[in-house]
Amino acid sequence: DGGITQSPKYLFRKEGQNVTLSCEQNLNHDAMYWYRQDPGQGLRLIYYSQIVNDFQKGDIAEGYSVSREKKESFPLTVTSAQKNPTAFYLCASSIGAHRQVNQPQHFGDGTRLSIL
Amino acid sequence: SQQGEEDPQALSIQEGENATMNCSYKTSINNLQWYRQNSGRGLVHLILIRSNEREKHSGRLRVTLDTSKKSSSLLITASRAADTASYFCATGYNFNKFYFGSGTKLNVKP
Repeated sequence: DGGITQSPKYLFRKEGQNVTLSCEQNLNHDAMYWYRQDPGQGLRLIYYSQIVNDFQKGDIAEGYSVSREKKESFPLTVTSAQKNPTAFYLCASSIGAHRQVNQPQHFGDGTRLSIL
Repeated sequence: SQQGEEDPQALSIQEGENATMNCSYKTSINNLQWYRQNSGRGLVHLILIRSNEREKHSGRLRVTLDTSKKSSSLLITASRAADTASYFCATGYNFNKFYFGSGTKLNVKP
């Protein structure tokens, strides 16, 4: 089955520690996204990538970093500079911006990050 | 702001009734999408409506778009307990960039 896999499902971070959230897709999608969701809130865009080896900051990129070395993978690192990292993190993908517009996003099941 | 705002924030209905949720936005869009989120899960895409479309159907779902009023509505007919979830509208712009509202929390009582 094609889809998006996020791991781990739950993650705990100690003060001063960087942690990396994994996102893998086998949908052959060009575009991938990372969102943050706080309780009772909508999704806010952290970073997005329209093609391999290219990515752009979203609305709340400070304290986060990403890489896109492979089409299938878009890991998100939550650095120690992110002072309030406790949230639900969602990864998504879509066919791609350059080939087609107006495409839906497909989401993983999220990673819940908490501070120890 | 480019994100949509859903209304109401919460909605509680009996099974079999219809549920209507609204989304308003402020800037011109390429498309508007509706998603469902069950508690603790990712979002599931429901319907995409393009800016030149006025109405779309999918099963028990009906979405309308009024670009002159910058608003959209999602109607779920004959609701079921399994429809209990949060529903989000996402406004779509160039380069497949999306902005999500805060959602409507729907509770369908059996």
